[in-house]
Amino acid sequence: GAVVSQHPSWVICKSGTSVKIECRSLDFQATTMFWYRQFPKQSLMLMATSNEGSKATYEQGVEKDKFLINHASLTLSTLTVTSAHPEDSSFYICSARAEGLAGGASKYNEQFFGPGTRLTVL
Amino acid sequence: GQQVMQIPQYQHVQEGEDFTTYCNSSTTLSNIQWYKQRPGGHPVFLIQLVKSGEVKKQKRLTFQFGEAKKNSSLHITATQTTDVGTYFCWVGYKLSFGAGTTVTVRA
Repeated sequence: GAVVSQHPSWVICKSGTSVKIECRSLDFQATTMFWYRQFPKQSLMLMATSNEGSKATYEQGVEKDKFLINHASLTLSTLTVTSAHPEDSSFYICSARAEGLAGGASKYNEQFFGPGTRLTVL
Repeated sequence: GQQVMQIPQYQHVQEGEDFTTYCNSSTTLSNIQWYKQRPGGHPVFLIQLVKSGEVKKQKRLTFQFGEAKKNSSLHITATQTTDVGTYFCWVGYKLSFGAGTTVTVRA
């Protein structure tokens, strides 16, 4: 149980285009989803916290108009990188957490990570 | 704001040896979680520590939470090649992960 999928696993796009990344919790309902980006050999940097049915909370320095997050259901959150540029090339990882659910997937409120999406902007 | 430092950043270990990685916070923590990310993979939850002075073991891995709940350690005994990866600590609700300790093993 507690599987998170991410699609696509990799994408190459031209500068100026927009890219949408989907994050799905497959066998549990995720009250909270997180979006991270990770540069090679570096730690995961939290970009935003996404709660179902409400606006995402962005970390300082993350442009909310550039990184659009939608958490339309308890099993799906999307991240859209708008007008992508080469400096946006990175590894984007989502995670999901199920809070406050009796016998829920997150016994310790831990995060279950998707496999990540490698974005390359040419 | 709350800051977390993780040391060392890199750990190159001879197979069979022990090593320890540390996570230090500038403020008192309510809990701390440890994750492992294999090369090319995604982070996987290992454990959560909540109580002051708590010690938990998972086979060759020993996790400890400091008495003041400001630091934590992960100690691995008899390192194996399967231990290769980056170990991250995670604290707080909005804080990103620690920088991680990347472990490589020489046979």
